[in-house]
Amino acid sequence: EAQVTQNPRYLITVTGKKLTVTCSQNMNHEYMSWYRQDPGLGLRQIYYSMNVEVTDKGDVPEGYKVSRKEKRNFPLILESPSPNQTSLYFCASRGLLYEQYFGPGTRLTVT
Amino acid sequence: SQQGEEDPQALSIQEGENATMNCSYKTSINNLQWYRQNSGRGLVHLILIRSNEREKHSGRLRVTLDTSKKSSSLLITASRAADTASYFCATVWSGAGSYQLTFGKGTKLSVIP
Repeated sequence: EAQVTQNPRYLITVTGKKLTVTCSQNMNHEYMSWYRQDPGLGLRQIYYSMNVEVTDKGDVPEGYKVSRKEKRNFPLILESPSPNQTSLYFCASRGLLYEQYFGPGTRLTVT
Repeated sequence: SQQGEEDPQALSIQEGENATMNCSYKTSINNLQWYRQNSGRGLVHLILIRSNEREKHSGRLRVTLDTSKKSSSLLITASRAADTASYFCATVWSGAGSYQLTFGKGTKLSVIP
C-alpha cells in the first residue's frame, strides 16, 4: 500500500530535549516536506526537499532541522524544543501532479 | 505564505443536503487541489483541477475553477455523516525550476444525521 508513515504519533517532551520525528514514504517520490498545523493558522510548511541531499526552508523553519540522506526518509529534528513548537506535524510527499500524500501526523507537546 | 482562503469557515448541514465550499486565491496557479482532513488526522487528497479546466467531477464531488475570478468551489452532493471533516484548498504554482504549494485555512463541515 502506498503510504507515508511517521513516528512517533504522539510525543510529550520537555524544553530543550532534542527529538527526531521520522518520516518515510514508499512511493519513490522525490519531493517531501514537513508542515505544522496550528488552530487558526492552518498548515504552514517548515522545510522541504526536492531530492536526496537537497533541502530548503519553508515558511516557518526556525527551530527545526531536516536531512535527506535517502529518498524514502525525511526526518524532522528539533535540537532544542520550546513550548511554541507544540503543534500537530505532518510529513508529506509529492506526486507527479503536485498532489500531496500526507502522513498520519505527530502530535507534539513541549512542556 | 497563505494564499487560498476558504469560505465559509464552518458549515453545518443535514444529511442528504448538498455542501458547497469556496476558495479564493490571489496569484496565478497551475492547478488547484482540494483535501479533506478528519479530526487530527492527515490530509487526504480529493481532487485536482488544472488551470485550463473549468469543471471536474469525482463521485459525489464537483469542483469548478474560475481563473478570471481566482476562485474555486467544491460541491459535495447528497452529503453523508461520514463527510464531516475539514476541507482545504491548495494552490500550486510551478515554473522556472520553482514550485509553491499553499494551503488555505479550511472549511469545517458538519453533516448532521
